[in-house]
Amino acid sequence: SQTIHQWPATLVQPVGSPLSLECTVEGTSNPNLYWYRQAAGRGLQLLFYSVGIGQISSEVPQNLSASRPQDRQFILSSKKLLLSDSGFYLCAWSEGPMNTEAFFGQGTRLTVV
Amino acid sequence: AQSVTQLDSQVPVFEEAPVELRCNYSSSVSVYLFWYVQYPNQGLQLLLKYLSGSTLVKGINGFEAEFNKSQTSFHLRKPSVHISDTAEYFCAVSDRRNTDKLIFGTGTRLQVFP
Repeated sequence: SQTIHQWPATLVQPVGSPLSLECTVEGTSNPNLYWYRQAAGRGLQLLFYSVGIGQISSEVPQNLSASRPQDRQFILSSKKLLLSDSGFYLCAWSEGPMNTEAFFGQGTRLTVV
Repeated sequence: AQSVTQLDSQVPVFEEAPVELRCNYSSSVSVYLFWYVQYPNQGLQLLLKYLSGSTLVKGINGFEAEFNKSQTSFHLRKPSVHISDTAEYFCAVSDRRNTDKLIFGTGTRLQVFP
């Protein structure tokens, strides 16, 4: 069966520090991968999605970047965190189109101080 | 571009009462529609989805939703809620021509009281 792992679960980082959140999927190949951010009162905002290795689509211009170095690995990064980067970050995958079903990780609670 | 509106940020209800969580969408093209549930500090889980066919869709945990094309709505209902239904509920939409993206609403917090 397929599983999705996302870590760390919580993270407190100072302003200006770098960020690296990792997400891996097991039990499937060539999944579509997604990073969402959930901020209070704003629902889930799609940040990046990837339909294959090295293919990244950015939805919102911001302080973050994403990379997909391996088929089932999706990394969210920042060189210098801002206070506004605080939020709950969710990784998700789907077997191709999202009209099938998207499976979400447990999320990472990031607090920038 | 698609957008989703969930008008109610919070819905308080007593146990065993019926509930309706409202969702309206905006799109110039045909869409697929979804409801996801998020329990505290967890990821999201699919409740149900509408792709085609019958406009009344049944999902897990006794939830159902009805697609109304003329009103561009996809409201979620349950005839009798339980304490364990307390969670955040998200409506989402994807474009039938480009299903690589899922656009979510801002969520509705369902709070069930004993």
